[in-house]
Amino acid sequence: GAVVSQHPSRVICKSGTSVKIECRSLDFQATTMFWYRQFPKKSLMLMATSNEGSKATYEQGVEKDKFLINHASLTLSTLTVTSAHPEDSSFYICSAPILRVDYGYTFGSGTRLTVV
Amino acid sequence: AQTVTQSQPEMSVQEAETVTLSCTYDTSESDYYLFWYKQPPSRQMILVIRQEAYKQQNATENRFSVNFQKAAKSFSLKISDSQLGDAAMYFCAYREAGANNLFFGTGTRLTVIP
Repeated sequence: GAVVSQHPSRVICKSGTSVKIECRSLDFQATTMFWYRQFPKKSLMLMATSNEGSKATYEQGVEKDKFLINHASLTLSTLTVTSAHPEDSSFYICSAPILRVDYGYTFGSGTRLTVV
Repeated sequence: AQTVTQSQPEMSVQEAETVTLSCTYDTSESDYYLFWYKQPPSRQMILVIRQEAYKQQNATENRFSVNFQKAAKSFSLKISDSQLGDAAMYFCAYREAGANNLFFGTGTRLTVIP
């Protein structure tokens, strides 16, 4: 139980284009979704928190206009990387609290984004 | 700000042996949660074990156990009877009670030697 499905797992796009990453909670309702970025051999850095039906909360230093987050339903949150540049190439992971937050979090399988 | 430190970038252990991964954290809060996550080559994050700060008893999950020292702000993970499938990146994480954010350490890459 408590599975988050993340797609696509890999994507290659050209500079200047936009890419959408989807995270779906399959067997539970995710009112909150966290979006992380992970650089090679580095830790996960929280980019933003999306809440169903309201605006996302972005961490300091994360460009809101570049990383658009939408959480339109209780089972779907999306991250759109707009006007992608090679420096946006990274591994992106979504995560949702399991039932109550203190039970921990379930993670999507991640998306490897390569901008060429 | 809360920080989580993992001072061992890499560790190795012989199969069937025991290994301990270190984690320290910095916080002024008294109520919080600590986690160990495993990230195998598939990159899927898997919860290994969690600990509530208000509990003195160390959490255990089969071959995995923690040594939680609240005063020292230390939260180490012990893996007993190591198996090849334990090879992965291990992240220590902290979350303040009532907050959503998980703060991750920099990770420890564990290699299991057959």
